[in-house]
Amino acid sequence: DADVTQTPRNRITKTGKRIMLECSQTKGHDRMYWYRQDPGLGLRLIYYSFDVKDINKGEISDGYSVSRQAQAKFSLSLESAIPNQTALYFCATAYTSGGADTQYFGPGTRLTVL
Amino acid sequence: SQQGEEDPQALSIQEGENATMNCSYKTSINNLQWYRQNSGRGLVHLILIRSNEREKHSGRLRVTLDTSKKSSSLLITASRAADTASYFCATDHTGFQKLVFGTGTRLLVSP
Repeated sequence: DADVTQTPRNRITKTGKRIMLECSQTKGHDRMYWYRQDPGLGLRLIYYSFDVKDINKGEISDGYSVSRQAQAKFSLSLESAIPNQTALYFCATAYTSGGADTQYFGPGTRLTVL
Repeated sequence: SQQGEEDPQALSIQEGENATMNCSYKTSINNLQWYRQNSGRGLVHLILIRSNEREKHSGRLRVTLDTSKKSSSLLITASRAADTASYFCATDHTGFQKLVFGTGTRLLVSP
């Protein structure tokens, strides 16, 4: 079984709808991240969490919210989806070894907002 | 933005050739990492090099880091068709505790 799972894998929705993307991990890592990927722009950080009680905004948090329900679960919500939120969304976990984080990525959720 | 830039944006080579891609960044780092992404899939960590290291090897991968020039290079030797993917550098800037990803290099290795 995959260590980092994301549901759904694909989603098509309409402008104005509320959408939740879910991420679960079995790696036992404390750190979790949400990124979006757009063609030619690489990955941009939306939110990150270093433990259950710690939530931090990333580079592009406007229009998004998150919930860290447990160490293993980190959900991303789009309160009112808009077309420019159409992108590939990745969840990642990380552990720190010797002061360096290595990240492990889920398979991604392809979201289309019409 | 602290986002790194990678060069070239795309690279096309034949199997057996070496592939070199470069990454430049703007502010001091704690470490730099390279990740690989097969089309539309999650990224996979390849190798990490710390700011006090200059070169690191892992199998057919060789990474160099020049902190004075704020740049790194990834060399894949004896490339294979299976190496076809996008490659991203990611920088861990001192004190930020999170990675900043570059824009990626798309590598195509033809049989």
